[in-house]
Amino acid sequence: KAGVTQTPRYLIKTRGQQVTLSCSPISGHRSVSWYQQTPGQGLQFLFEYFSETQRNKGNFPGRFSGRQFSNSRSEMNVSTLELGDSALYLCASSLVQGEGKLFFGSGTQLSVL
Amino acid sequence: KNEVEQSPQNLTAQEGEFITINCSYSVGISALHWLQQHPGGGIVSLFMLSSGKKKHGRLIATINIQEKHSSLHITASHPRDSAVYICAAAGGGADGLTFGKGTHLIIQP
Repeated sequence: KAGVTQTPRYLIKTRGQQVTLSCSPISGHRSVSWYQQTPGQGLQFLFEYFSETQRNKGNFPGRFSGRQFSNSRSEMNVSTLELGDSALYLCASSLVQGEGKLFFGSGTQLSVL
Repeated sequence: KNEVEQSPQNLTAQEGEFITINCSYSVGISALHWLQQHPGGGIVSLFMLSSGKKKHGRLIATINIQEKHSSLHITASHPRDSAVYICAAAGGGADGLTFGKGTHLIIQP
């Protein structure tokens, strides 16, 4: 059974650009959540999607958005990139919304220059 | 807002020692997760618990709901246990998970 797949693995962008990251959950998992990890702030929750609907959102500006498709694959988008957006972005999938064991992808390392 | 505190921040021990990592939170929660992160970023979920105790191999996780405290124990520690261990609280009035800062564990042979 394939795990959670995140693409791309690495990304370099410049300030002001926008970026889209992709996450394919484990087959059958309908919940996808996104996290930002930085050396200073650690792991922080971005948002969670279940059945194509955003169920929860963390304390991040509106530049951070996401969506989930009917096949449960999810994308997150960051517009007008800032230097502080440089981070490891992780997604996780689970069978049920808001609870249940989480299965993490390997993450996308985003560098903003 | 839930505050999640972990201790210690760093821990170096010898192979075979019994390891305890602590996690406390400020607001009642629905569940607590223990995660393991190896260098390179990959995160593995070790436990999710809402009460009592869970055991998997050499790992044991306990939670005391009244005291708002959880512990992760590693018995007969091994160098391959070297990693960052992170606790994360679900619920407690917050959307999504609230994470502790992590405990950086090094087990020396």
